[in-house]
Amino acid sequence: DAGVIQSPRHEVTEMGQEVTLRCKPISGHNSLFWYRQTMMRGLELLIYFNNNVPIDDSGMPEDRFSAKMPNASFSTLKIQPSEPRDSAVYFCATQDTSLTGELFFGEGSRLTVL
Amino acid sequence: GNSVTQMEGPVTLSEEAFLTINCTYTATGYPSLFWYVQYPGEGLQLLLKATKADDKGSNKGFEATYRKETTSFHLEKGSVQVSDSAVYFCALNSNTGNQFYFGTGTSLTVIP
Repeated sequence: DAGVIQSPRHEVTEMGQEVTLRCKPISGHNSLFWYRQTMMRGLELLIYFNNNVPIDDSGMPEDRFSAKMPNASFSTLKIQPSEPRDSAVYFCATQDTSLTGELFFGEGSRLTVL
Repeated sequence: GNSVTQMEGPVTLSEEAFLTINCTYTATGYPSLFWYVQYPGEGLQLLLKATKADDKGSNKGFEATYRKETTSFHLEKGSVQVSDSAVYFCALNSNTGNQFYFGTGTSLTVIP
C-alpha cells in the first residue's frame, strides 16, 4: 500500500489566496484526521471524520477553515482567505478502527503564507 | 479528561548512551498507548504501542511498558545511535469516541 498520500508537499501563497490541501487515505481505513503542526503550538487536531462524516471539528481555528470528505478515498482541507499565521505543516492521518487503532500519517503539506 | 504529559526537551546524548523519555497520562477507561517518531521533514511514524496494562511495546531497540499503577509509558533505549535523532511523541487513544491525545514532543539529538 502506498500509505497516506498528501498533496501538495509544499505550497507558498500570498495572504488572501485560497489554499486547498488534499489527502488520500489508506484503502479501507475508515477514520481520517487533519492535524496542524507549528513550532509554537505543536501538533493540533483540526477535525476528524469517521466513515466520511465529520465527528469533531472543534479544533478548526475559525470559519476560514473548512474540510470535506466526499468519499472514502479523498479529503480536502481548505483555507479561504489564507493569512500568514496559517503557515504550518498540515498532516493527514488515517486509521482502521477495526484493528489496533494506530494512526498512519502522511508526509505533510508545508504551507507558507506570505 | 484525557491528556498526555511528556518530558520537555531538547535532549542531547552521546552515541551509545542510555535513553529515557518520560511519559505519563491521564485517561478515563482503558486507553491504548503509543510512541511515534518524527524524522526531519517527515510525518509521524508509529514506533511502538501497547494496548493494555503491563504490555511492553518494542521496536528498533526501543521499549516502553504500559504501567497502569503509575499511569506511565516511558520510552527507553539501551544504546542510542546518531540515526535516532528525531522528535518523539507519546500518545494515547481513549478507545471511547476514538480520540487521540498527543504529548508536546521531545527532541532528541545524538552526537557521535
